[in-house]
Amino acid sequence: DTGVSQNPRHKITKRGQNVTFRCDPISEHNRLYWYRQTLGQGPEFLTYFQNEAQLEKSRLLSDRFSAERPKGSFSTLEIQRTEQGDSAMYLCASRLSTNEKLFFGSGTQLSVL
Amino acid sequence: AQSVTQLGSHVSVSEGALVLLRCNYSSSVPPYLFWYVQYPNQGLQLLLKYTTGATLVKGINGFEAEFKKSETSFHLTKPSAHMSDAAEYFCAVSGSAGNGNNRLAFGKGNQVVVIP
Repeated sequence: DTGVSQNPRHKITKRGQNVTFRCDPISEHNRLYWYRQTLGQGPEFLTYFQNEAQLEKSRLLSDRFSAERPKGSFSTLEIQRTEQGDSAMYLCASRLSTNEKLFFGSGTQLSVL
Repeated sequence: AQSVTQLGSHVSVSEGALVLLRCNYSSSVPPYLFWYVQYPNQGLQLLLKYTTGATLVKGINGFEAEFKKSETSFHLTKPSAHMSDAAEYFCAVSGSAGNGNNRLAFGKGNQVVVIP
């Protein structure tokens, strides 16, 4: 069990640029989640996958956001035309569908200038 | 839909004193309840969870929490605080199995400071 891995740890970008984050879940975990966390707030759900299928998306996930999990293993989260309001910590988590315990990565901190 | 309320963003406790973090939940279906801890520069770690069965659940590092349906509460306690308990603590709720709700809804968190 190597844990949930997220890359990069930090990303600084200019407003209007596109960014992509990667998440590598624990290998046998079939469910993968993306959350967003801003200062002073708890994590907010964005979307989740069961294997390669994206089963639920929050209304927080605007059209500028897209997530994929093409082979049911790693996942990417892309933000197009970034805005300053996108600045946040983006967290990935994974679990088995048969176990409620969710394992979190350390997150990607995005700063949009 | 599920939600949790954690009051008091910062909590100061003396070393050796009781740690009490309050969590109240709202859920339209039987809830699953969780406490997570986040140390600086680390991911969230599960402290404990309630799904079904015994309402008093014990977790790691000496923490425990009690599910009280009548009070819609799931407060976290530890009898004696250690310096290593300084961290941010999040309460979370999800729908129980079979209710089709797979997301966790988190509270705003409590930043715990332990005073020597």
